[in-house]
Amino acid sequence: AQSVAQPEDQVNVAEGNPLTVKCTYSVSGNPYLFWYVQYPNRGLQFLLKYITGDNLVKGSYGFEAEFNKSQTSFHLKKPSALVSDSALYFCAVRQYSSASKIIFGSGTRLSIRP
Amino acid sequence: DTEVTQTPKHLVMGMTNKKSLKCEQHMGHRAMYWYKQKAKKPPELMFVYSYEKLSINESVPSRFSPECPNSSLLNLHLHALQPEDSALYLCASSQDPDRVMYEQYFGPGTRLTVT
Repeated sequence: AQSVAQPEDQVNVAEGNPLTVKCTYSVSGNPYLFWYVQYPNRGLQFLLKYITGDNLVKGSYGFEAEFNKSQTSFHLKKPSALVSDSALYFCAVRQYSSASKIIFGSGTRLSIRP
Repeated sequence: DTEVTQTPKHLVMGMTNKKSLKCEQHMGHRAMYWYKQKAKKPPELMFVYSYEKLSINESVPSRFSPECPNSSLLNLHLHALQPEDSALYLCASSQDPDRVMYEQYFGPGTRLTVT
């Protein structure tokens, strides 16, 4: 069975510092990995995805993620955090055996202090 | 147009009421989804429509009844709900239900309160 883990419930970073939100996955075949962000009282917004190819994926709002097959990780990163990045972040995985489904991690609340 | 719209934004209903949630997308997407989300939790999949046919029902109670009148519209009919059904209900769509590389586009959600 496929699964996604986000080991940190909350990450606190000072504005201007780099940020990392961690995600590890478990699938039996090739993983298709996604990051979504959710602002308060809003739906989820797609940030970026890894399908195949380059292990460093660039996405919206200056975010990027690094796919590491040996460590089964897909950490979300940004070189310089903004206060407006404060939100709830979800890592997710899809697999061909259940194409219609997407499995979400538990979410990480990112808080950027001025 | 890369938007999924949902109406209403907020809904308060009694346990004996009947109401409906509406979702619309004009991106030509052929997969549409209903999710339920409790505070600070990930969305939980309820239903999936593939090419306007119900393809997945995640053992959702019959007091929730989905409907897909056409490829752009998705409804969720509510009847005899319980207070524990209070949550944010999210609609989403994706380009092709059979291809995993496509991301899902989410609407802003309907905040449902059952009294």
